[in-house]
Amino acid sequence: GAGVSQTPSNKVTEKGKYVELRCDPISGHTALYWYRQSLGQGPEFLIYFQGTGAADDSGLPNDRFFAVRPEGSVSTLKIQRTERGDSAVYLCASSLWAGGYQETQYFGPGTRLLVL
Amino acid sequence: GENVEQHPSTLSVQEGDSAVIKCTYSDSASNYFPWYKQELGKRPQLIIDIRSNVGEKKDQRIAVTLNKTAKHFSLHITETQPEDSAVYFCAARSFKTIFGAGTRLFVKA
Repeated sequence: GAGVSQTPSNKVTEKGKYVELRCDPISGHTALYWYRQSLGQGPEFLIYFQGTGAADDSGLPNDRFFAVRPEGSVSTLKIQRTERGDSAVYLCASSLWAGGYQETQYFGPGTRLLVL
Repeated sequence: GENVEQHPSTLSVQEGDSAVIKCTYSDSASNYFPWYKQELGKRPQLIIDIRSNVGEKKDQRIAVTLNKTAKHFSLHITETQPEDSAVYFCAARSFKTIFGAGTRLFVKA
């Protein structure tokens, strides 16, 4: 079946611009996660959704970052007034939530964001 | 805050030798410990995981051990092959998942 998909695969923008990154989770996965991965580092947690609500957004670095998941499926990560330091690969993952436990997270291919 | 430390950052072994990667975590509420393999330019792929009610798990050449008291867990790869060369990440999860910084494994033929 289809895995997690993310669009665009690459995004180049100028400092100060607004960007939106999209994630399509595996069908039926109620939990969705956003991570940011800088070169040579592990994925850094940003936010996770259980259904439509953000269960934990403690990883969002500041108020320029915002994410939504209005229908409990597709999610959009929004970055306002982009800065060069926002350049990274943004990874999305999804998982089932069964019996009160998160199951295995499956990652998408990521969106490589470059802020010039 | 929650933290996961991973060592070594780089590991070079001869083909056929074993490789061991170690992690420690800080959040005592962590109950799930996955290991991911990431090849250059690719997404992280789960290779093995262990839950907090289990001390050891094995899958062919890969094994993971967990010491909850010491908050340590380790990945063991036996009979390494060149295709095992990649970056490996450990992670610890209570509600959110915290990743280690990664270990770059080189397997020399």
